[in-house]
Amino acid sequence: EPEVTQTPSHQVTQMGQEVILRCVPISNHLYFYWYRQILGQKVEFLVSFYNNEISEKSEIFDDQFSVERPDGSNFTLKIRSTKLEDSAMYFCTSTGLAGGDQETQYFGPGTRLLVL
Amino acid sequence: GNSVTQMEGPVTLSEEAFLTINCTYTATGYPSLFWYVQYPGEGLQLLLKATKADDKGSNKGFEATYRKETTSFHLEKGSVQVSDSAVYFCALLHTGTASKLTFGTGTRLQVTL
Repeated sequence: EPEVTQTPSHQVTQMGQEVILRCVPISNHLYFYWYRQILGQKVEFLVSFYNNEISEKSEIFDDQFSVERPDGSNFTLKIRSTKLEDSAMYFCTSTGLAGGDQETQYFGPGTRLLVL
Repeated sequence: GNSVTQMEGPVTLSEEAFLTINCTYTATGYPSLFWYVQYPGEGLQLLLKATKADDKGSNKGFEATYRKETTSFHLEKGSVQVSDSAVYFCALLHTGTASKLTFGTGTRLQVTL
């Protein structure tokens, strides 16, 4: 069964450093998302991406964040200058087969980011 | 704005007990409703969904009915197993293309022998 994959599974970084979280969505999906889950809190929407541009972003997704789909398969989230409060589990999701289910989002296993 | 409220956990049950996890929502329009499950150390998996009022989603013995009049989507299972121990998230999908999910806080279920 197709699945969303994410790398790395864990990332430890120093405050102020740049990190890039990588995702490979399900092939032929059209819509891509990033969510995050701070430990013990709810899952929060960060950004959605369609047709090579951002569709919607939350207040959390400020100028320090960016997303990219550089090669038609990978979908990346970059945090330019990490802060302590960026420590969280980051989930990538995808949905939207052309002509099919465009509502069910399939989650990757997540990247646990720890900013020291 | 749109929001989801879930009952607080943890919920601790003995095996074969009946499970209810309450979920209510506030939304404009007609959202689709979901239950996701997160097993320890894993990502979120779709458990079931309902896309319109009075629809019943079901999977693996779990079920939930989309109740527009009470704006609820309570999760139920008649007989839980130890393997059902996980965190359960209720979520709504905003209407529109490339829509985002809004999640509740999650309810941890612990099933004991």
